[in-house]
Amino acid sequence: QKEVEQNSGPLSVPEGAIASLNCTYSDRGSQSFFWYRQYSGKSPELIMSIYSNGDKEDGRFTAQLNKASQYVSLLIRDSQPSDSATYLCAARGGTGNQFYFGTGTSLTVIP
Amino acid sequence: KAGVTQTPRYLIKTRGQQVTLSCSPISGHRSVSWYQQTPGQGLQFLFEYFSETQRNKGNFPGRFSGRQFSNSRSEMNVSTLELGDSALYLCASTPAAATNYGYTFGSGTRLTVV
Repeated sequence: QKEVEQNSGPLSVPEGAIASLNCTYSDRGSQSFFWYRQYSGKSPELIMSIYSNGDKEDGRFTAQLNKASQYVSLLIRDSQPSDSATYLCAARGGTGNQFYFGTGTSLTVIP
Repeated sequence: KAGVTQTPRYLIKTRGQQVTLSCSPISGHRSVSWYQQTPGQGLQFLFEYFSETQRNKGNFPGRFSGRQFSNSRSEMNVSTLELGDSALYLCASTPAAATNYGYTFGSGTRLTVV
């Protein structure tokens, strides 16, 4: 079992719709959770971090954390073609305080 | 504030050669980690350094090694290159080894082994 699992997609949504990206993690000791966006040929860029149960909003992005279910999600409202990228979920903490990354979900926003 | 700087950006090497990649973290960041990224495997953790000490190591053969200097700059070395080592190598830094810091990634070094 992988420490962090994501649906690889691809996920396609029309412009203006809500994109929902999901992630589960296995190490209950994980304390910090991150979403990275990676455009093709570029390096990952941190877009959201969340540490407590509940929702955290930043502009069009909302991260949700449910530690009881070991579930993290990212909602992108009013999706734009520029949001088309691979989104990586990461968890940190637990054994060795190591970062664990999911394999990423590819998102395409169709104009 | 300058970001994480990796050099070189691109590298072509021949099987059997060795290569050294360099990473300068954001000023004040003391923790540096290295990842290998390939299309099929995603981000694979190589190692993490903090204050010149290796804190964590991924599941890579001994051909992969690294070090960190007193100014927090880090290098990774791959000896006896194989075709399968072709990948994007990413360096990431955080201020410390605490759990609430996310990584800032460099632009990466794209290594091609022929």
